[in-house]
Amino acid sequence: QVQLQQSGAELVKPGTSVKLSCKASGYTFTSNHMNWIKQTTGQGLEWIGIINPGSGGTSYNVKFKGKATLTVDKSSSTAFMQLSSLTPEDSAVYYCARGINYGGYSDYWGQGVMVTVSS
Amino acid sequence: DIVLTQSPALAVSLGQRATISCKTNQNVDYYGNSYMHWYQQKPGQQPKLLIYLASNLASGIPARFSGRGSGTDFTLTIDPVEADDTATYYCQQSRNLYTFGAGTKLELK
Repeated sequence: QVQLQQSGAELVKPGTSVKLSCKASGYTFTSNHMNWIKQTTGQGLEWIGIINPGSGGTSYNVKFKGKATLTVDKSSSTAFMQLSSLTPEDSAVYYCARGINYGGYSDYWGQGVMVTVSS
Repeated sequence: DIVLTQSPALAVSLGQRATISCKTNQNVDYYGNSYMHWYQQKPGQQPKLLIYLASNLASGIPARFSGRGSGTDFTLTIDPVEADDTATYYCQQSRNLYTFGAGTKLELK
């Protein structure tokens, strides 16, 4: 069965970076895009970007360009998102979600990881 | 950006019909498909896909859930509503990148 296992909660200091992981199993990793989504109480769900694990090609929400960097490791079927220059506004739950190519929807989601930015 | 507008909350009685709307500021149709999708999220859980491409039921989702609409107006219907359906429901468009509605919280009367 398809599973997306995300890394554990992070407590990080302002100005630093954090790298989140999302390990995929139960399907061919390179056959589907991977989306990353941010969820906060105030802003709801925000799409951050998408990566094609086969090619490494990416597309970002303009709001997150320079903030988020998406990569993959095909050998371990793992997607990563690095968030840089963290501020308290980056505190949120972050999800990875398997994308359906050409449909643009996500059929499986990771459990989410809470990132807290605080000094 | 394509903006999706949802009502914040809806209260219905058990066994009745719930209709949740999502309106967009731009047409999300393209070559015969409506690029609108619906998700259910319960507290502390990740979102779950319910409906894709406006009217297609996702795998494992009960037939009580249905979606319809085209262009800029879409609805998710739950009929009949069960207690387990209390959750927040989000629409999402994928016609031009991806954006989500703010969500509609479904409560029981």
